[in-house]
Amino acid sequence: NAGVTQTPKFQVLKTGQSMTLQCAQDMNHNSMYWYRQDPGMGLRLIYYSASEGTTDKGEVPNGYNVSRLNKREFSLRLESAAPSQTSVYFCASTPPGRYTQYFGPGTRLTVL
Amino acid sequence: EDKVVQSPLSLVVHEGDTVTLNCSYEVTNFRSLLWYKQEKKAPTFLFMLTSSGIEKKSGRLSSILDKKELFSILNITATQTGDSAVYLCAVVETSYDKVIFGPGTSLSVIP
Repeated sequence: NAGVTQTPKFQVLKTGQSMTLQCAQDMNHNSMYWYRQDPGMGLRLIYYSASEGTTDKGEVPNGYNVSRLNKREFSLRLESAAPSQTSVYFCASTPPGRYTQYFGPGTRLTVL
Repeated sequence: EDKVVQSPLSLVVHEGDTVTLNCSYEVTNFRSLLWYKQEKKAPTFLFMLTSSGIEKKSGRLSSILDKKELFSILNITATQTGDSAVYLCAVVETSYDKVIFGPGTSLSVIP
């Protein structure tokens, strides 16, 4: 099992550009999450998906959209990137009926 | 508003010391509390606590939850330089599996 994978690992964008962060898990988990991590702020939930076809807003959803196309994949889209979105982005998933989260390696995004 | 608070935010100790990290929470519908260790990359899972008063232990690390006073502690005995990391506390909320993270405690263990 590869676990939770994320692409890309690093990305630099200019203000106003768009991009999609990809996340996939091969553990047959139902729930998937997108977090951002900024210094001193811990992990903040952007969006989550309790099951295929459903998504819900987390703590900081503004400026982001998500798609849960199938059980494996949960993507995060920035339509018009802003410098305030410079952060490390983590995707995570949890097994059915359990709450321990499995994290991907993270994507370091810089918006100039 | 649901929130998780950790203290201290940073800590420097010498090898061999014992440390206690604190996590308090205010969550509408509590389900469980999680502790993670984060070194340079993604967090790795340490403990999940659901019931009050039952200590979870793994080697030199242990943790306990007090659901009445709404807090948890993570103890690390005989600290080693490899324990240097950020320790994250997270609370799982029941209504839709929302997970709320605290800001983390940055622990540095010096030889």
